Amino acid sequence: EPEVTQTPSHQVTQMGQEVILRCVPISNHLYFYWYRQILGQKVEFLVSFYNNEISEKSEIFDDQFSVERPDGSNFTLKIRSTKLEDSAMYFCASSIPAGGPSGNTIYFGEGSWLTVV
Amino acid sequence: SQQGEEDPQALSIQEGENATMNCSYKTSINNLQWYRQNSGRGLVHLILIRSNEREKHSGRLRVTLDTSKKSSSLLITASRAADTASYFCATDARTGANNLFFGTGTRLTVIP
Repeated sequence: EPEVTQTPSHQVTQMGQEVILRCVPISNHLYFYWYRQILGQKVEFLVSFYNNEISEKSEIFDDQFSVERPDGSNFTLKIRSTKLEDSAMYFCASSIPAGGPSGNTIYFGEGSWLTVV
Repeated sequence: SQQGEEDPQALSIQEGENATMNCSYKTSINNLQWYRQNSGRGLVHLILIRSNEREKHSGRLRVTLDTSKKSSSLLITASRAADTASYFCATDARTGANNLFFGTGTRLTVIP
């Protein structure tokens, strides 16, 4: 079964450093997402991306965050200057457009653990 | 806020018993999805139920949706130790956005 893949699985970084988290969405999907989950808390939406631009973003997704689809397969999340509170599991996800036979089922990757020290 | 809220927060049952988890949400939706998460792992999609559906089955899973009460339930029948995980409901928005709003989850422990 096709799946969303993420790298790295775990990254430790110094506060203030830039981090890039990478994702390969499912190949025929057109919507891409980043979510995060701080340890022990709920999964929170960060940003959605469609047709090479951000379609929606949450309050969490401030100026230190950016997303990019540098080529036909990768989807990246960049955190410019990491803070301690950015420590979380970051999930990439993808979906086909809503309205298809599967509705808007969103498929998630295994996540990238980010620890900021 | 549109986030779902699951209850109970934690549920512990014996293997073979049924587990029922509930979810409530606040605004109109297109569909509601249930996900499972093993500790420290990714979110696994279990089932999607559309707003015009009332009940859906998939293997040992049964999901109901009551849009008048803005609530859903997930029933796992004949539970197994491997069902031990956190279960989340997630709703979308009727505004056309495709992102999901997750609840706080129910931590299910199935005792062998």
